[in-house]
Amino acid sequence: DGGITQSPKYLFRKEGQNVTLSCEQNLNHDAMYWYRQDPGQGLRLIYYSQIVNDFQKGDIAEGYSVSREKKESFPLTVTSAQKNPTAFYLCASSATGYNEQFFGPGTRLTVL
Amino acid sequence: AQSVTQLDSHVSVSEGTPVLLRCNYSSSYSPSLFWYVQHPNKGLQLLLKYTSAATLVKGINGFEAEFKKSETSFHLTKPSAHMSDAAEYFCVVSEGNSGYSTLTFGKGTMLLVSP
Repeated sequence: DGGITQSPKYLFRKEGQNVTLSCEQNLNHDAMYWYRQDPGQGLRLIYYSQIVNDFQKGDIAEGYSVSREKKESFPLTVTSAQKNPTAFYLCASSATGYNEQFFGPGTRLTVL
Repeated sequence: AQSVTQLDSHVSVSEGTPVLLRCNYSSSYSPSLFWYVQHPNKGLQLLLKYTSAATLVKGINGFEAEFKKSETSFHLTKPSAHMSDAAEYFCVVSEGNSGYSTLTFGKGTMLLVSP
């Protein structure tokens, strides 16, 4: 089955620890995205990547970092500099020439 | 700059009655418009999209939306609600319909369906 996988589904971390969220796709899409979702605020773009070894900041990049070493993978690290990291994180991808995005099932991060 | 306003944060309907979820947009260019649905603790699923073809767009599960440029609206409708339609719905705008472009999401409308 083609699609996007995110792991883990639920993640708990202590305050001050860095944590990395996984996103993998087998759709052969060039572009990948990370969003943060908070209740009543819709989705906000954290980072996006149009091609391997290249990525750009979105609207709320502070306290986050990404890498894109492989076309299939776009991991997101939530650093200790992120002031309010508890949220639902969604990864998405899109094919070149299309702006329709396909979403993974999400990771719910809770920082204690 | 592009923006989206979903006019209702919550909509309640009875099963079997029509659904109307309202969305207004702002865009400097010819926009692409989307409706996505999200069930609790799940990812987003595309319901339908408008990309400058027919103004009345039909999507999955009996939903449709009409693009009205004069009103800058893209409201989502369904003739008869089903219990399984209960979810959160997002209206989304993208400037341009080819190549790379970012999506701007509305804040969502929660659809509640009662028996």
